Amino acid sequence: AQSVAQPEDQVNVAEGNPLTVKCTYSVSGNPYLFWYVQYPNRGLQFLLKYITGDNLVKGSYGFEAEFNKSQTSFHLKKPSALVSDSALYFCAVRASNDYKLSFGAGTTVTVRA
Amino acid sequence: ETGVTQSPTHLIKTRGQQVTLRCSSQSGHNTVSWYQQALGQGPQFIFQYYREEENGRGNFPPRFSGLQFPNYSSELNVNALELDDSALYLCASSLDSGRVTDTQYFGPGTRLTVL
Repeated sequence: AQSVAQPEDQVNVAEGNPLTVKCTYSVSGNPYLFWYVQYPNRGLQFLLKYITGDNLVKGSYGFEAEFNKSQTSFHLKKPSALVSDSALYFCAVRASNDYKLSFGAGTTVTVRA
Repeated sequence: ETGVTQSPTHLIKTRGQQVTLRCSSQSGHNTVSWYQQALGQGPQFIFQYYREEENGRGNFPPRFSGLQFPNYSSELNVNALELDDSALYLCASSLDSGRVTDTQYFGPGTRLTVL
């Protein structure tokens, strides 16, 4: 079985400061990892994914994520947060022999001006 | 915005009724997955359709059923609605179920309220 843990329900940062949203995963075999963002009353918007190769993945809107196999983590980062980054962020994992995404419970990010 | 569309946007039903939700996949995508997102939770996988066949199913009872049409659009049907079925229902399309690395692109969702 595969699972994702997002240990922080909420992350609060000041605009211009670095933003990190944590994610750890459990899966058999090679993991395929994804980050999505959800704005109020909207669907999920894809940010980035790790499939293989470079452990640092760059995605949309200045976000990046670092894959760490030994720590089974895939933390989302942004060097300088914007107020418009305030949203709900989901980490998801897909096993190499599976078809479904398994999501974490989500982390609410609030960026204050 | 993705090219995935869902209808209706909102729906209110009463316990015991039946509901049909619809999804149009992004152009060129042949795989549709459905997820249920209860308030304050992450999406939970219901099932996936690939080339008109159910390709996999999560831990949902048989009263949750689906269809995929030749144009790859899809329906989610829920019979005998229960209060706990109140949730945001998300549809996601991807290029090809056979490629596990494919990204799933989500529609805006249908908010179902069961009274």
